[in-house]
Amino acid sequence: DAKTTQPNSMESNEEEPVHLPCNHSTISGTDYIHWYRQLPSQGPEYVIHGLTSNVNNRMASLAIAEDRKSSTLILHRATLRDAAVYYCIPPSGGGADGLTFGKGTHLIIQP
Amino acid sequence: GAGVSQSPRYKVTKRGQDVALRCDPISGHVSLYWYRQALGQGPEFLTYFNYEAQQDKSGLPNDRFSAERPEGSISTLTIQRTEQRDSAMYRCASSLEPAVVKKLFFGSGTQLSVL
Repeated sequence: DAKTTQPNSMESNEEEPVHLPCNHSTISGTDYIHWYRQLPSQGPEYVIHGLTSNVNNRMASLAIAEDRKSSTLILHRATLRDAAVYYCIPPSGGGADGLTFGKGTHLIIQP
Repeated sequence: GAGVSQSPRYKVTKRGQDVALRCDPISGHVSLYWYRQALGQGPEFLTYFNYEAQQDKSGLPNDRFSAERPEGSISTLTIQRTEQRDSAMYRCASSLEPAVVKKLFFGSGTQLSVL
């Protein structure tokens, strides 16, 4: 299985863009990279997924490196409600079909 | 229902007792997943089903843990002879269909405390 490296925590100011990096240099397989987030006291929720190119949806943008060994989740204008743990989940590469969550990045938003 | 429903919300039990945790997925969702989450950690995959068939149980920690989904809808995760190390939040998730894009919808979880 691919291993991910994410910062333990990041801090940003409200209304500013946030770039959350993820390194998955041991990635294998051709499946999607997923990002989830978990707000305090809630279950994880889907944010975005991508394969090889940049992706946008109403929640965020995802930039994927050409070699797929890293990706960056972009929140264009962070709000206090975006304070959460963000999980980068690479393809399992033949492992369990369930998503494998790491420890994620704890995003702190300052007002 | 509108979302994934789990019951009970909280379960306190004594060491050695058996517990059964219930998950009611979103109506029509084919795939159902069980995760366990310790405080400050990300969810840990346990097992998953497509319809009533258990597809992968590689994440179950030992043979005290089992899960079933007999009619392809509601699922039960059973832990026999509970131990204190089993204390955690147990989360269920469902998705519309088996797919390479995994949009999982998670329930609120069952907080299990083994005394």
